[in-house]
Amino acid sequence: KAGVTQTPRYLIKTRGQQVTLSCSPISGHRSVSWYQQTPGQGLQFLFEYFSETQRNKGNFPGRFSGRQFSNSRSEMNVSTLELGDSALYLCASSLGDGYQAFFGQGTRLTVV
Amino acid sequence: SQQGEEDPQALSIQEGENATMNCSYKTSINNLQWYRQNSGRGLVHLILIRSNEREKHSGRLRVTLDTSKKSSSLLITASRAADTASYFCATDGRSAGKSTFGDGTTLTVKP
Repeated sequence: KAGVTQTPRYLIKTRGQQVTLSCSPISGHRSVSWYQQTPGQGLQFLFEYFSETQRNKGNFPGRFSGRQFSNSRSEMNVSTLELGDSALYLCASSLGDGYQAFFGQGTRLTVV
Repeated sequence: SQQGEEDPQALSIQEGENATMNCSYKTSINNLQWYRQNSGRGLVHLILIRSNEREKHSGRLRVTLDTSKKSSSLLITASRAADTASYFCATDGRSAGKSTFGDGTTLTVKP
């Protein structure tokens, strides 16, 4: 069974640009969550999608957005990048509430 | 602030010793999960313990949950150098879907 796949693994962008990250969940998983991990703030919840609907959203500005497709694949977009957006972005999928969440290897975003 | 807070922040032990990490949280939960993260990589799920469970085992791992104290502990017995990693607890609130992570405990196991 393939795990959670995140692409790309590494990304370097310039301030002001936008970026789209992709997450392919484990087959059959309908819940996809996104997290941002930085040394200073730790693991912060961004949002969660379930069956194409955003169910929960963390405390991030509107520059951070996401979506989920009918095949459960998810993308997150960050517009007008800032230096502080440099982080490891992790995606997790699960069958739903109360089930184990499986994480991808993450996308390391560096904003210069 | 984070829902889960791990204690200690850092722990250094010798191979073969036991390691205990604690997690405290603030609001009621459906379940609590422990994860391991090797440097800069994805999180690996270790154990999920539900709010109606008090203890769970998986190999060398033992997790306890005390909902009255809003705390959990992770015990790694007979530690190995390969256990060197950061360990996080994550709580799922009673509302759907998201996990809230603590800042983690960095465990170093010296050979």
